[in-house]
Amino acid sequence: QVELVESGGGVVQPGGSLRLSCETSGSIFSTSSIHWLRQSPGEGLQWVAVISSDGGTKFYVDSVQGRFTVSRDNSQNTVYLQMNSLRPEDTAIFYCAKEGSFGHWYFDVWGRGTLVIVSS
Amino acid sequence: VLLTQSPGTLSLSPGERATLSCRASQSVGSSLAWYQQKSGQAPRLLIYGASSRASGVPDRFSGSGFGTDFTLTISRLEPEDFAMYYCQQYGDSLRTFGQGTKVEIK
Repeated sequence: QVELVESGGGVVQPGGSLRLSCETSGSIFSTSSIHWLRQSPGEGLQWVAVISSDGGTKFYVDSVQGRFTVSRDNSQNTVYLQMNSLRPEDTAIFYCAKEGSFGHWYFDVWGRGTLVIVSS
Repeated sequence: VLLTQSPGTLSLSPGERATLSCRASQSVGSSLAWYQQKSGQAPRLLIYGASSRASGVPDRFSGSGFGTDFTLTISRLEPEDFAMYYCQQYGDSLRTFGQGTKVEIK
């Protein structure tokens, strides 16, 4: 049974930074692409970023390109989302999720989410 | 690709049949998933590939459609099925979600 647990959310001022972590259990972590998604009342559910199983391929939604960086440490079964230059519109619950099937970006396992609030 | 879900809210009684619609602004083939989300919880995958049930999903949930028009059907609503439902397309490079349909108890 694969489980994902996010942490690192909190309240930060505009322009600030946070690093989210997504710790996983289960033997398939090292062979799975992991995605970050977010959900806010205004924007609904939005895909944010993905990192491939070996960490060599990363993609981002345009609105976070250049501000967010995704990385992973397979020895620690953990994926990270470094968020810089945060804006109020980044306020959301952030989820990490496992890709359902290689190359098919639906998500079959989700973490419980971590809340990020960007406010002065 | 813009996904439009209808209706916004569906008011039904336990035991009734629920039919939820998701329409895409352009064809996504069969690259469509459905999720259920209850208050305070993460989304749960129900359907992928437009019609394949995810592991552990009861067979009262079924998906259909191809191209631009998709349907999620719950054959007989159980009390635990009252929740938000979202469709998501993954046929386009920018994976997008619909705005959701709330299934509430009438």
